[in-house]
Amino acid sequence: DGGITQSPKYLFRKEGQNVTLSCEQNLNHDAMYWYRQDPGQGLRLIYYSQIVNDFQKGDIAEGYSVSREKKESFPLTVTSAQKNPTAFYLCASQGPGEDYGYTFGSGTRLTVV
Amino acid sequence: GENVEQHPSTLSVQEGDSAVIKCTYSDSASNYFPWYKQELGKGPQLIIDIRSNVGEKKDQRIAVTLNKTAKHFSLHITETQPEDSAVYFCTASIGGSYIPTFGRGTSLIVHP
Repeated sequence: DGGITQSPKYLFRKEGQNVTLSCEQNLNHDAMYWYRQDPGQGLRLIYYSQIVNDFQKGDIAEGYSVSREKKESFPLTVTSAQKNPTAFYLCASQGPGEDYGYTFGSGTRLTVV
Repeated sequence: GENVEQHPSTLSVQEGDSAVIKCTYSDSASNYFPWYKQELGKGPQLIIDIRSNVGEKKDQRIAVTLNKTAKHFSLHITETQPEDSAVYFCTASIGGSYIPTFGRGTSLIVHP
């Protein structure tokens, strides 16, 4: 079955640590996105990539970094510069042409300990 | 840029009742309006979408309506069931820009 996989489901970060969230898709989608969701809040765009080896900052990119070396993979690193990283992180991919809808992963819940 | 307002933020109904969630958008160039359902602890899932050349679309118990003149679109769920309890997000995007603007979400609670 085609889909998008995020791992791990739960992640704990110590102060000053960088952590990387994985996002893999086998839908052959060009575009991939990272969103942050805080309790009771909507979705805020962190980074997006519309093609391999290219990515753009979203609305809240500070303290985060990404890479897009392969079409299937779009990992997100939460750096120590992100002062309030505790949140639910969602990865999504988007089909081409008329099909603009997102397919989301199941999310990673990151907690600072 | 695009701005999407969604109401209400919380909606509580009895099983079997209908539920309506309303959204407005600001950019008249927006032409694609998907709706997503997010169950607790999971990622959102696209449940229905509508394009600007259509005024209404139905899929079993759910329907979406679009009023381009007023820049309103709404999600209608009939004969609600407890499994409909979730957070629903409306979105609007301009064809070609690909990146949608999300509403802030509506928490629907269906009481058995």
